Amino acid sequence: ILNVEQSPQSLHVQEGDSTNFTCSFPSSNFYALHWYRWETAKSPEALFVMTLNGDEKKKGRISATLNTKEGYSYLYIKGSQPEDSATYLCAFPSSNTGKLIFGQGTTLQVKP
Amino acid sequence: GAVVSQHPSRVICKSGTSVKIECRSLDFQATTMFWYRQFPKQSLMLMATSNEGSKATYEQGVEKDKFLINHASLTLSTLTVTSAHPEDSSFYICSGGGIGGDTQYFGPGTRLTVL
Repeated sequence: ILNVEQSPQSLHVQEGDSTNFTCSFPSSNFYALHWYRWETAKSPEALFVMTLNGDEKKKGRISATLNTKEGYSYLYIKGSQPEDSATYLCAFPSSNTGKLIFGQGTTLQVKP
Repeated sequence: GAVVSQHPSRVICKSGTSVKIECRSLDFQATTMFWYRQFPKQSLMLMATSNEGSKATYEQGVEKDKFLINHASLTLSTLTVTSAHPEDSSFYICSGGGIGGDTQYFGPGTRLTVL
């Protein structure tokens, strides 16, 4: 059974703090690793699709790295803002059919 | 990014009734859509893959006769929870795209409560 683990489960930071969280996934049969941001009452929004070992992607203050050999990805948020408060999900396609296996998510709350 | 709508956003029904949830891709064609379910404090779990013009593929443990999926057009997939019971109360969410490991575009989800 393929398993995707995220840590921590939740995180509370002050505005301006930088933070990071982890996604662990199976290192065999790797296709891609997805990161999504899910704000309450909205659709999950795609942040990154990462495919290459050593890849680093950036979107504004958010960046992500990928290590496919050891099976982990880090998501970093620099200078957190209250609008960054959301649940961050990572997901691992179990094959090239697109079926995603999700982690439980990391819920971030940024206090003003 | 592409937009997916889902309707209704929330539904409360009595035990034994059937509930239909619609998932529409508004600005792209989706030959494949995915249906997920999330129970409290758990991950999004894939229920089934909906294929336009053909039968859906269900994940292990998901009853195909209980969760009827119809994907009659390139922009609409429906999930019908038949004879719903309280244990079917959950958050149901659909997505489109994602073939080959590409980005999936999600709807906002439907909260189903069965009394």
